[in-house]
Amino acid sequence: SAVISQKPSRDICQRGTSLTIQCQVDSQVTMMFWYRQQPGQSLTLIATANQGSEATYESGFVIDKFPISRPNLTFSTLTVSNMSPEDSSIYLCSVVGAGGAYNEQFFGPGTRLTVL
Amino acid sequence: AQKVTQAQTEISVVEKEDVTLDCVYETRDTTYYLFWYKQPPSGELVFLIRRNSFDEQNEISGRYSWNFQKSTSSFNFTITASQVVDSAVYFCALGRGSTLGRLYFGRGTQLTVWP
Repeated sequence: SAVISQKPSRDICQRGTSLTIQCQVDSQVTMMFWYRQQPGQSLTLIATANQGSEATYESGFVIDKFPISRPNLTFSTLTVSNMSPEDSSIYLCSVVGAGGAYNEQFFGPGTRLTVL
Repeated sequence: AQKVTQAQTEISVVEKEDVTLDCVYETRDTTYYLFWYKQPPSGELVFLIRRNSFDEQNEISGRYSWNFQKSTSSFNFTITASQVVDSAVYFCALGRGSTLGRLYFGRGTQLTVWP
């Protein structure tokens, strides 16, 4: 399986500010994704991070609010912009195709975000 | 539309009891994947298993076993001789064969195993 790290692991932020979350994988992966888990809820896909091009967003998520970068096959960032308390969630990076494990999907440890 | 239902919100058992977590899914795809993940209190999501829609063989891994039945669109998960360390939220998820990585999650089942 892949080793996925996320930075920061947690943060407390003020309303109106932005936070960038980093996801690093120890091997090249086919696909990278960003998910959100609101308190006590299930996971929802935010977007697919595409290498070298704009991310593909799911319904209800927009680039201005959640800009995503993926400069190479092992790294991606998610920015949560102009935060409000409703953005308080765990944000998880997910990868497919790590280490030749086609179709296996793994998740990073998550970033716990609290917005005051 | 894709949908995963985990009807059991919370389950409590005493150590060494067997417990089954239910998962029912809906999809019109002929090729799809089913997953189970464990989320302990620390928050990380631990991959447990992936099954393909064309492979209905049940699987056993130690104390864990999975029963996949296409006839009832179910993918149930059984823990035998449960332990306190099994306490976690367990998520069932559905992935479409045509769009890897886009998983549809159930709401999760909180399992508490008491000593």
